[in-house]
Amino acid sequence: SQQGEEDPQALSIQEGENATMNCSYKTSINNLQWYRQNSGRGLVHLILIRSNEREKHSGRLRVTLDTSKKSSSLLITASRAADTASYFCATDATGANSKLTFGKGITLSVRP
Amino acid sequence: NAGVTQTPKFQVLKTGQSMTLQCAQDMNHNSMYWYRQDPGMGLRLIYYSASEGTTDKGEVPNGYNVSRLNKREFSLRLESAAPSQTSVYFCASKVTDRRNIQYFGAGTRLSVL
Repeated sequence: SQQGEEDPQALSIQEGENATMNCSYKTSINNLQWYRQNSGRGLVHLILIRSNEREKHSGRLRVTLDTSKKSSSLLITASRAADTASYFCATDATGANSKLTFGKGITLSVRP
Repeated sequence: NAGVTQTPKFQVLKTGQSMTLQCAQDMNHNSMYWYRQDPGMGLRLIYYSASEGTTDKGEVPNGYNVSRLNKREFSLRLESAAPSQTSVYFCASKVTDRRNIQYFGAGTRLSVL
């Protein structure tokens, strides 16, 4: 069963705009991670936020976590055509024995 | 710096045929995972191996078997392929630490006719 559910399912923006993607989950977590998947490739880890953190930055990425609402958001600022990919949130649930549960993903298209 | 290597990249099978998907990692990771990815379903865990010598079922293990051959290699076997097993299969590995960050291979695209 899916733990993380991303929203929206698809997003199309112009280069230079910001992209915001949301993820909701159901159980308590140790951390939440975001991964990117380029077409025809494997997933690549982008950023991790621990359950006791509220915000994390990495380059043009900003992740927030609200454990009271069981939700997270990923913001990509000043998007580029190369950001076109699918983005997945993954939860490391408490007691999950090193397993991650992935959402269904968000397809981001950045138009040049 | 190969990371996680999966073979083959593509495969077409007929219903009832068997095959083994191979996965090897060169990062000295303890844990390895097999996922399948279907349109609109995200990634679903098939089997995982927390350490050499151990394997456990994931969310969708039916129709599959695994072998953790050694620390580097983790194979996935389809004994009698079915059209419902048409999917993209990903292998992943991770080091044993609290972060639980996984590293993925490029995938095997399998079609069962």
